[in-house]
Amino acid sequence: DAGVIQSPRHEVTEMGQEVTLRCKPISGHDYLFWYRQTMMRGLELLIYFNNNVPIDDSGMPEDRFSAKMPNASFSTLKIQPSEPRDSAVYFCASRTGGGYGYTFGSGTRLTVV
Amino acid sequence: QKEVEQDPGPLSVPEGAIVSLNCTYSNSAFQYFMWYRQYSRKGPELLMYTYSSGNKEDGRFTAQVDKSSKYISLFIRDSQPSDSATYLCAMSNSNTGNQFYFGTGTSLTVIP
Repeated sequence: DAGVIQSPRHEVTEMGQEVTLRCKPISGHDYLFWYRQTMMRGLELLIYFNNNVPIDDSGMPEDRFSAKMPNASFSTLKIQPSEPRDSAVYFCASRTGGGYGYTFGSGTRLTVV
Repeated sequence: QKEVEQDPGPLSVPEGAIVSLNCTYSNSAFQYFMWYRQYSRKGPELLMYTYSSGNKEDGRFTAQVDKSSKYISLFIRDSQPSDSATYLCAMSNSNTGNQFYFGTGTSLTVIP
């Protein structure tokens, strides 16, 4: 089991550019979550999917953020246009419906300059 | 008021010490309580999971839940340098489905 795989590990981009973060959940996990972590606010849930369907996107900060899950093994989080305040570590996590807690990926550290 | 409050530390202890990490929460409906450990530049990993009140022990780690005080604790006995990490509490209730509310984390350093 390779765990939850995220790419890229680091991303540095200029303000106004489009950023796409990628996630491969653990095979067989039917829930997928996107979190953002900052020093000030800690871990914040952005959106989560169940069986590839978005269930709750109330944590998505604004229309510049969008997420998709075209199949059970892949999800993307897109920011367009990016702003310096989007700088954070973005985590993807997955779990099974009957499981305890999440398994997190190693995160993508995003810096918008 | 945030759903979950956690002292950010940092906390620095000598090797072998007993460490106490704590969180308070405001939502009395929370029933599921977790502790995650996060090493630098890594994702959080689940350390302990408890349901409702009481204690749970796993090796050197003990998780306690006091629902009457809305207070949870994680104790680490015989702390080791490898325990140096950030510890995050998280909690949920059945009504929030899969939403877990996280504390901001406590940074722990165990000095050899």
